[in-house]
Amino acid sequence: DAGVIQSPRHEVTEMGQEVTLRCKPISGHDYLFWYRQTMMRGLELLIYFNNNVPIDDSGMPEDRFSAKMPNASFSTLKIQPSEPRDSAVYFCASSFAAQGRGTQYFGPGTRLTVL
Amino acid sequence: TQLLEQSPQFLSIQEGENLTVYCNSSSVFSSLQWYRQEPGEGPVLLVTVVTGGEVKKLKRLTFQFGDARKDSSLHITAAQPGDTGLYLCAGLETGANNLFFGTGTRLTVIP
Repeated sequence: DAGVIQSPRHEVTEMGQEVTLRCKPISGHDYLFWYRQTMMRGLELLIYFNNNVPIDDSGMPEDRFSAKMPNASFSTLKIQPSEPRDSAVYFCASSFAAQGRGTQYFGPGTRLTVL
Repeated sequence: TQLLEQSPQFLSIQEGENLTVYCNSSSVFSSLQWYRQEPGEGPVLLVTVVTGGEVKKLKRLTFQFGDARKDSSLHITAAQPGDTGLYLCAGLETGANNLFFGTGTRLTVIP
């Protein structure tokens, strides 16, 4: 089975531009998580969905960040407008409740650089 | 915000040595996970511990969950260069669906 798929793997953009990160979770998984990882702050949860419904977005840093999950096989994280401090690696992870809520499968991440 | 402190933050050892990584919190968790992350990749789950005092072994890795379910340790015996990576502990609170990740321990094993 394919793992969690993220695209693009790398994104370089200029301050003020819109950035859209994409994620395809593992088929059959009912939870999807978006994380951000930096050297200073480690791995931070931004938002998570259960059955395509956003459950907790308290980790979303500002109104510039938004996430959607239009169906069970696709999610996006959008930053508009982007700022240099948004530079980080963004991970998407999915899990299957019956397997245990602590068992999450991570994608390879998107390395975002905002100039 | 829950805080999971890991120590040490960085560890560089010679191949064949033993090491222990600690994960501490003031919160009680229903389960605790250990993940390993290699450069350019996402974290990969190594183990889940659920019961206070539980010990799990995965080849040369030994994981222990504290009796009060607030802390955990990871012991590696005879470390190998392939063990190099970022080790993350992550706690799941009772009734919660999201993990709180620790600050991480970056391990380098020198051949």
